[in-house]
Amino acid sequence: NAGVTQTPKFQVLKTGQSMTLQCAQDMNHEYMSWYRQDPGMGLRLIHYSVGAGITDQGEVPNGYNVSRSTTEDFPLRLLSAAPSQTSVYFCASSSGTSPYFGPGTRLLVL
Amino acid sequence: SQQGEEDPQALSIQEGENATMNCSYKTSINNLQWYRQNSGRGLVHLILIRSNEREKHSGRLRVTLDTSKKSSSLLITASRAADTASYFCATDAKSFGNEKLTFGTGTRLTIIP
Repeated sequence: NAGVTQTPKFQVLKTGQSMTLQCAQDMNHEYMSWYRQDPGMGLRLIHYSVGAGITDQGEVPNGYNVSRSTTEDFPLRLLSAAPSQTSVYFCASSSGTSPYFGPGTRLLVL
Repeated sequence: SQQGEEDPQALSIQEGENATMNCSYKTSINNLQWYRQNSGRGLVHLILIRSNEREKHSGRLRVTLDTSKKSSSLLITASRAADTASYFCATDAKSFGNEKLTFGTGTRLTIIP
């Protein structure tokens, strides 16, 4: 099993550009989540999903969209990147026990 | 806003000593978990304690939970250089499967060889 994979590992964007952060899991987990981590901070929940076709907002959803068309994939879309979205993004999946976290995507918005 | 606050923010100890870090949270929880994050890396799950448990052990780790005080502590015994990392507590107030964790601000632990 690959666990939770995230692509890309690192991305530089210009203000106003859009992009999609990919997250995939091969453990058939129902639950998936996106977090962001700013320097010196803990993780904050952006969006989450409790199953295919079901998503909901977390603590800091503004500027991000998600969809869950399959159990395996949970992409995070930045609609119009802003410097405030410079952060490290982590995807997680779980089946009701402790979640597995992906390695993270480091995003820099100039 | 962050649910948890961790104390201390930073801790430096000599190798072999014990390290204790504390976490406080604001609302009722189902579970509390502790994670380790090495610099620039992802999170590694250490231990989960349920709201009806008061203490849990895993190897050199000991976690306590006091729901009346809304606080938890993580004790790492006989510390090693490899324990140098940031440690986070995370709570799941209301979720089906830990899909909605709220993290504390973290304690940066440095083990001095």
